[in-house]
Formats: sequence, structure tokens, C-alpha cells
Amino acid sequence: NAGVTQTPKFRILKIGQSMTLQCAQDMNHNYMYWYRQDPGMGLKLIYYSVGAGITDKGEVPNGYNVSRSTTEDFPLRLELAAPSQTSVYFCASSYSGLRGSEELFFGEGSRLTVL
Amino acid sequence: AQKVTQAQTEISVVEKEDVTLDCVYETRDTTYYLFWYKQPPSGELVFLIRRNSFDEQNEISGRYSWNFQKSTSSFNFTITASQVVDSAVYFCALNNYGQNFVFGPGTRLSVLP
Repeated sequence: NAGVTQTPKFRILKIGQSMTLQCAQDMNHNYMYWYRQDPGMGLKLIYYSVGAGITDKGEVPNGYNVSRSTTEDFPLRLELAAPSQTSVYFCASSYSGLRGSEELFFGEGSRLTVL
Repeated sequence: AQKVTQAQTEISVVEKEDVTLDCVYETRDTTYYLFWYKQPPSGELVFLIRRNSFDEQNEISGRYSWNFQKSTSSFNFTITASQVVDSAVYFCALNNYGQNFVFGPGTRLSVLP
């Protein structure tokens, strides 16, 4: 059972470079999310999607973009990387159902360092 | 506005001690859900429990127990007879129906042998 798969697990970027974090889930979940985790700050929502073709901003969307062309995939694009984007990124998904009641299923995380 | 506070940044206990992790939440809604997640040193986030706002019964699962008190807006997590494998960061989270998750800052628990 793959669940939520994120790639890459580690990446070092130079300031100004761009990259895409990949996320795929095989649980047929409609809802998908991207969070970033900074030390001592918990998880902050970057973007989320309630279904293919629908995305919306979370709490900290600046410097990021997402797309959702299929139910399974939800890539996160970093444009013009900045040191403030150094963080651990988690992709998560949940079944739509009764929104709010279902737990999130998380990927293993992607550690990004911007130098 | 929704908010989750975990006032204990770090806790250290010796193996076999009991430990309680505090979680206090704020919300104006009457329907909401509370969660606890565990993040072991390997980094993944593991779901532990979900509780809805209409169910104030305490829950026990092995060495883990949860105490939900709406009167104090708290959803505390107790580990009985702690073990080294319990060492992790624990997150409390709140989700109002139709909204997104709000996570607390986490409590780092270290269980020493």
C-alpha cells in the first residue's frame, strides 16, 4: 500500500532556482494538501485542492504554485527559491466525505534547503 | 478564529513514568474535530486519534489515553508507563467542518532509558 508518495525526499537549491515537489496518492482521495513544517511552528497550510482542477490558497501561499490535473497528483512548484523556503514539506490527502472529520494521510516529507 | 496551543515545548521523562501532553484549542463553532498526530524521529506523521465535539467520553488505547473537556477547551493526551519508542513530537490539531486543519506547534517528548 503506497498511500501518499512524495519525491524528492531531500533537495538543496540555490537562491533563485525553481523546482517541483511531486505528490501522488493512490487512495482515491479527493482532498489534497501541501504543508510546510518549520521548527517549533507546527504545520502551516500552503495550498489545498478539493478535487481535480480545483485549488485554493492556504495560510502561506506566497512563492508557491500548485496544479491538480488528476485526482492522484498534486505537485507543488517553487519559483525563485528563497532561503525563507527552507523547510520540510508534507503532502497529505483525505477522503472528501464529511469534511473535517477525516484524518489526514501524510507523505514522508521532503526536506528542502535553499542556500 | 481557530487556534491550537501546546504550551509544553519539550518534555523529558524517564522510561516507565506517566506523562501528559496538554492541548488547548479555540473555536467559535459547535461542530469540530480534534486530532493527535505523532511524528517520530524518522519524520513521518502518524495519526493517533480523532474526537468530535459531541463526544466527550475519554478514550483509552493501550498505554494511551485522551481526556476531552469542552468546559476547558482541552484535549489532553496521556502516555502511561512511557517507553523509549514514545519519543517523538506530538501534534494536536483542530478541524472545523468546512475549514482546514489548524495544528498546534507540537510538543517534543523525550523518554530516557
